[in-house]
Amino acid sequence: GIQVEQSPPDLILQEGANSTLRCNFSDSVNNLQWFHQNPWGQLINLFYIPSGTKQNGRLSATTVATERYSLLYISSSQTTDSGVYFCAVGPSYDYKLSFGAGTTVTVRA
Amino acid sequence: EPEVTQTPSHQVTQMGQEVILRCVPISNHLYFYWYRQILGQKVEFLVSFYNNEISEKSEIFDDQFSVERPDGSNFTLKIRSTKLEDSAMYFCASSENRVGQPQHFGDGTRLSIL
Repeated sequence: GIQVEQSPPDLILQEGANSTLRCNFSDSVNNLQWFHQNPWGQLINLFYIPSGTKQNGRLSATTVATERYSLLYISSSQTTDSGVYFCAVGPSYDYKLSFGAGTTVTVRA
Repeated sequence: EPEVTQTPSHQVTQMGQEVILRCVPISNHLYFYWYRQILGQKVEFLVSFYNNEISEKSEIFDDQFSVERPDGSNFTLKIRSTKLEDSAMYFCASSENRVGQPQHFGDGTRLSIL
């Protein structure tokens, strides 16, 4: 199956800092989603972005499908941004999403 | 915005008991999924369901698991005889199409097996 690697595994930020999270995948995809898992375990969908660039407030994402990676940018981080960020991909031959291991972000006040 | 709804939010069950986790997908969606996440680990695919049958299942989805769409709105996951290692967060998801559309996730059911 498709392999999904996220980096870095852990990220500690000071409030107000910017950061970039990376997701590499091993095959062409029809679906790529970024999620934020909050402390209650809920998966909050941030972006559906199999290609191109999107922005939503302080968050933005870019997927370069031909080079098989996606980036999630967090600008002016806030303590509420803390949690685990997952990248999940769906290849063209498959129904399911394959998740990466996540990046744990801690934003300190 | 329409949401995927899961009940209960937390279920505590004795080992060996049967448990049914319930989901109401978004009404115009045709594809349904169950995923699970063991504490501290990544989210894993269990099963996908389309047109009243299983489309794909993982090796985790053994004979102890079953899925059903008993009516036009509910989608259930049954575990027949729970084991300690079934303790996890279970997520239901739905999508309008197989490709070209995102999967929408519910808030999850935290299953604790004692």
